[in-house]
Amino acid sequence: SQTIHQWPATLVQPVGSPLSLECTVEGTSNPNLYWYRQAAGRGLQLLFYSVGIGQISSEVPQNLSASRPQDRQFILSSKKLLLSDSGFYLCAWSVIGAHSNQPQHFGDGTRLSIL
Amino acid sequence: AQSVAQPEDQVNVAEGNPLTVKCTYSVSGNPYLFWYVQYPNRGLQFLLKYITGDNLVKGSYGFEAEFNKSQTSFHLKKPSALVSDSALYFCAVRDPKTGTASKLTFGTGTRLQVTL
Repeated sequence: SQTIHQWPATLVQPVGSPLSLECTVEGTSNPNLYWYRQAAGRGLQLLFYSVGIGQISSEVPQNLSASRPQDRQFILSSKKLLLSDSGFYLCAWSVIGAHSNQPQHFGDGTRLSIL
Repeated sequence: AQSVAQPEDQVNVAEGNPLTVKCTYSVSGNPYLFWYVQYPNRGLQFLLKYITGDNLVKGSYGFEAEFNKSQTSFHLKKPSALVSDSALYFCAVRDPKTGTASKLTFGTGTRLQVTL
C-alpha cells in the first residue's frame, strides 16, 4: 500500500532563517506531488505541484520554493523565512494522468511557527 | 474557473441524529467531487468521491454524499452522528479538463460538532 511521510511534525524557526521541509511517498511510482499551506485550521492554499522529477509549478508568488530531486521526494524550501510563512504545511500525492479520477492523499503535515 | 462553496462554518448536531454538511460547486464540465475529513493536527483523510453514475455515493465511516447536478450540490450525510465524527470537513472539486496535474479546488471547510 502507498504511504506518505512528512517531517518534521513541528518546527519553530526565527525570522530570516532558512527552511527545508521534506515529503516522501512509498508504494507508488511517478506520482503527482503537491504542497499546500493551511492557515488558522481552515482553507487550503495550493503552493506548488509537480508532475515529474525536476518539474515544478508554482501557484502563488511567495517566499518559498519547491524541488523534486527524486521521483517520490518533494522538498519545500526558503532562504529567509518571514513571519507570514507560519502555518500548517501539507504534502499530498495523487495518481498521474489527464483523466485521473483518483483522490489526493495527504501526509500529516508540518506545523511551522516563525518567531 | 472551478470553485467550491461550503456555506456553513460550523454544524452542530446531537449524537444519534442525522447530519448534513453542505457543498455547492461551479465547474465548466462534468465534475469530479470529493469529501475529506481533518482531525486536529492531522492531514486530510479521503472519505468519498463522485465521478459518474449513481447520485448517492457511499464512503468511509458510514458517510455518504448525494450528487445533484441541477442544484450543483454534493452534500455529505450520515444517518446517525457519533461524537467521534467531530472534525473539520472539506469538499473539493476537480475539473476533468485541467490536465495531468489533477489539481483540486477546496472549500473553506465546515466544522462539525457532535454533542452527547
